Amino acid sequence: NAGVMQNPRHLVRRRGQEARLRCSPMKGHSHVYWYRQLPEEGLKFMVYLQKENIIDESGMPKERFSAEFPKEGPSILRIQQVVRGDSAAYFCASSPPLAANTGELFFGEGSRLTVL
Amino acid sequence: GQQLNQSPQSMFIQEGEDVSMNCTSSSIFNTWLWYKQDPGEGPVLLIALYKAGELTSNGRLTAQFGITRKDSFLNISASIPSDVGIYFCAGQLLHGGSQGNLIFGKGTKLSVKP
Repeated sequence: NAGVMQNPRHLVRRRGQEARLRCSPMKGHSHVYWYRQLPEEGLKFMVYLQKENIIDESGMPKERFSAEFPKEGPSILRIQQVVRGDSAAYFCASSPPLAANTGELFFGEGSRLTVL
Repeated sequence: GQQLNQSPQSMFIQEGEDVSMNCTSSSIFNTWLWYKQDPGEGPVLLIALYKAGELTSNGRLTAQFGITRKDSFLNISASIPSDVGIYFCAGQLLHGGSQGNLIFGKGTKLSVKP
């Protein structure tokens, strides 16, 4: 019974390159969330998606960041033209439909992005 | 943006001691959650609270949802070495924000002296 799977676990990019982070939710979970964590900080909400729909993107930067959760395949967080300030751990979480509004999220192990 | 004030930031305790940490906010929450994060890992849910005044236990952990809906505490009794890690409080706003849009505190780093 696999948990939330994220890859890559570590990603190094040079400034101006693109970063793609993937997330496969737990089996049976149709809700996916992305959070960002800076060193010594708590997690910051970025986006909430259901299959083929963005439900809440209030935490997404206005530029360079996008997220999708297609009908088939994992959710993707895409960062274009990365800058050093994008260096962080990006966590994906999922929840089942019946857990709506409980706030009980199951987190993956994170993808750590380093921008040189 | 919304903030949760979590304290203490860090603490060293002797094995066997009890631990207490708390979170406060100026905003009202309808859900309080406590997560633990080990180095290099994602947060793991410890306890979830849904009603003002609710007191919930999970083994040696006890957490309460403040009566004003603006605060919560977590107690760990008889700490052991594997309790080491960072503990985060998180809340879901009563007004505003979708499900899963949690506000996290900055964490309490717990270190246990063997």
